[in-house]
Amino acid sequence: NAGVTQTPKFRILKIGQSMTLQCTQDMNHNYMYWYRQDPGMGLKLIYYSVGAGITDKGEVPNGYNVSRSTTEDFPLRLELAAPSQTSVYFCASGGNTEAFFGQGTRLTVV
Amino acid sequence: EDQVTQSPEALRLQEGESSSLNCSYTVSGLRGLFWYRQDPGKGPEFLFTLYSAGEEKEKERLKATLTKKESFLHITAPKPEDSATYLCAVLGSSGTYKYIFGTGTRLKVLA
Repeated sequence: NAGVTQTPKFRILKIGQSMTLQCTQDMNHNYMYWYRQDPGMGLKLIYYSVGAGITDKGEVPNGYNVSRSTTEDFPLRLELAAPSQTSVYFCASGGNTEAFFGQGTRLTVV
Repeated sequence: EDQVTQSPEALRLQEGESSSLNCSYTVSGLRGLFWYRQDPGKGPEFLFTLYSAGEEKEKERLKATLTKKESFLHITAPKPEDSATYLCAVLGSSGTYKYIFGTGTRLKVLA
């Protein structure tokens, strides 16, 4: 069972570059989420989606964009990378109760 | 505002020394309280869901309990492989489907 799959696992970006973090789930969940986790800190919600075509901001949306064209996919876009976006990014999906997480993307902006 | 506070921030135990982790929460209508385990460099791994006060769930050396204000994760006779960060989260019934996470308890079990 694949569950939630994130790609890439690691990435180094230069300041000002752009990239898309990919997230796919095969559990037919309506709800999907993007979190970032800084060292020693908790999970902070960036964006979430309650279904295809519907997205909303979380706690820390600045500098990020999302789209949800299908139930399975929820990509996260960084348009102009900044050092403050160095973090580990987790995608999650949920049905009516618990959420399941991907293995994360470790992003470094230099 | 929905809120989750976990304590202690860090805990060191000797192998076999039982203890409990605390998760205090405030939420407008509890849809569910969740416990996760997170190993370094990995995504959170789902452990338990609790729905109502008085409910208990068990898995191997772990037992989760729930009251109207807090949840406990009891670890009985822990082993070094139980070392991880344990996260608590709540989902309220406020209309938005957002999980609120605590900052976690870092558990280290010494052999």
